[in-house]
Amino acid sequence: GEDVEQSLFLSVREGDSSVINCTYTDSSSTYLYWYKQEPGAGLQLLTYIFSNMDMKQDQRLTVLLNKKDKHLSLRIADTQTGDSAIYFCAERRDSGGYNKLIFGAGTRLAVHP
Amino acid sequence: DAGVIQSPRHEVTEMGQEVTLRCKPISGHDYLFWYRQTMMRGLELLIYFNNNVPIDDSGMPEDRFSAKMPNASFSTLKIQPSEPRDSAVYFCASSLQGRNTEAFFGQGTRLTVV
Repeated sequence: GEDVEQSLFLSVREGDSSVINCTYTDSSSTYLYWYKQEPGAGLQLLTYIFSNMDMKQDQRLTVLLNKKDKHLSLRIADTQTGDSAIYFCAERRDSGGYNKLIFGAGTRLAVHP
Repeated sequence: DAGVIQSPRHEVTEMGQEVTLRCKPISGHDYLFWYRQTMMRGLELLIYFNNNVPIDDSGMPEDRFSAKMPNASFSTLKIQPSEPRDSAVYFCASSLQGRNTEAFFGQGTRLTVV
C-alpha cells in the first residue's frame, strides 16, 4: 500500500466526529473505497465513491473526494466505541481490462469515553 | 454463500518449513486476490487472478512465494522455505467484475514462523 497514504492513528472522544484522511496517486482511479477491520477479522466494505462524485453520505458516514488533489476523507459523525477499528482507504486501478484494489496502510481509530 | 473461506486460521511453523495457505472464494466471483498485512507495511497486494489466470504477481516478495488457482473454487499460497520475516496475516479476497468491484475478504491466516 505504499502508493495510498493514510495517517496511522486517530484518537477521538465518544460523541465527537472523526475524520480520516487519505491520499492516492492514480488520477484515473474510477472507484475509491473505505473498508473497516475489527480486531481479528477481515476487512469489510463500509462505503465507496465513484470518481465523478465529490461527496457521498450514508447515515453517519460522509465521504469527501477532492479529485484534483487526489484526497479522500471519511467522516464519522457521533463516533461510538463500536467504531474503534482500523480503517483502510483503497483505490481501484484499471489496467489492460483488469482491475485491482490497492490499499493504504490503515488508520487505527481509538474512541475513548 | 458462506463468504470467502481461508484455512488454516492460525499457523505456527519453524523456519525452513513449507507453508501452504488455502482459500475458497465466493462462488461465481472471477477475481481472487492475496494480500499480506503487517504492522510495518500495512496491506500489500501479493498477486491476483482473473478467471483462474494469474494477472499480476509483481507484489510477490521473492521466489520463495508461489500461488496457484487450479480451479474457480480454490487457490493456494505457498511459502517454501519459510522465514521469520514472513510472519504476517495473509488475506484472500474475491470479487466480481463489474462497476463497483467490491472485494470480499476472508478472515485471514495468521502465520508465525519461529
